[in-house]
Amino acid sequence: DTGVSQNPRHKITKRGQNVTFRCDPISEHNRLYWYRQTLGQGPEFLTYFQNEAQLEKSRLLSDRFSAERPKGSFSTLEIQRTEQGDSAMYLCASSSKGQGGHEQFFGPGTRLTVL
Amino acid sequence: EDQVTQSPEALRLQEGESSSLNCSYTVSGLRGLFWYRQDPGKGPEFLFTLYSAGEEKEKERLKATLTKKESFLHITAPKPEDSATYLCAVQALGQAGTALIFGKGTTLSVSS
Repeated sequence: DTGVSQNPRHKITKRGQNVTFRCDPISEHNRLYWYRQTLGQGPEFLTYFQNEAQLEKSRLLSDRFSAERPKGSFSTLEIQRTEQGDSAMYLCASSSKGQGGHEQFFGPGTRLTVL
Repeated sequence: EDQVTQSPEALRLQEGESSSLNCSYTVSGLRGLFWYRQDPGKGPEFLFTLYSAGEEKEKERLKATLTKKESFLHITAPKPEDSATYLCAVQALGQAGTALIFGKGTTLSVSS
């Protein structure tokens, strides 16, 4: 079991630049989530995919953010025209459909710093 | 509005000094309540899922319990390696209820 992987682990960029993050979920998981976490806060939900379909988006996901999961496997999160307020840890999680609640397993995160 | 509140924000314990962390929640309908452990600079690590009031789960020195309004994470005889931030999250019922709603966490420090 390789777990959820994310790349890059760290990204430093200048304000106004575009950045893209990648998430590889646990192989048999059909559900994939993106969250954002700032210092001293819990993770905040951004968006959710079931297979390749994006089924839910948070109001936090502004027009500058876009996420894809083209073949229902890995996912990318792109932020256009980055702002200093975008500095945060971006977390990816995956889960499989089952009875009751769906445990979500998180990756190590990508820490974004916007200068 | 669905909401999770954790207390205390920070907790300092001596090794072997047992204590409890609290998670109070408000949710339209509970699908599940989750506890995670997070070490600095890392992603949350799954610990427990609780589905209904009265349910309990145990893992090593940790025990999680659930009522209709809150959950407790009991830590028995903690060790320094238990130092971390413990996050509580709820998942609501309904088609759009797949997102986890997290509290801000309790940062636990255990000294030897």
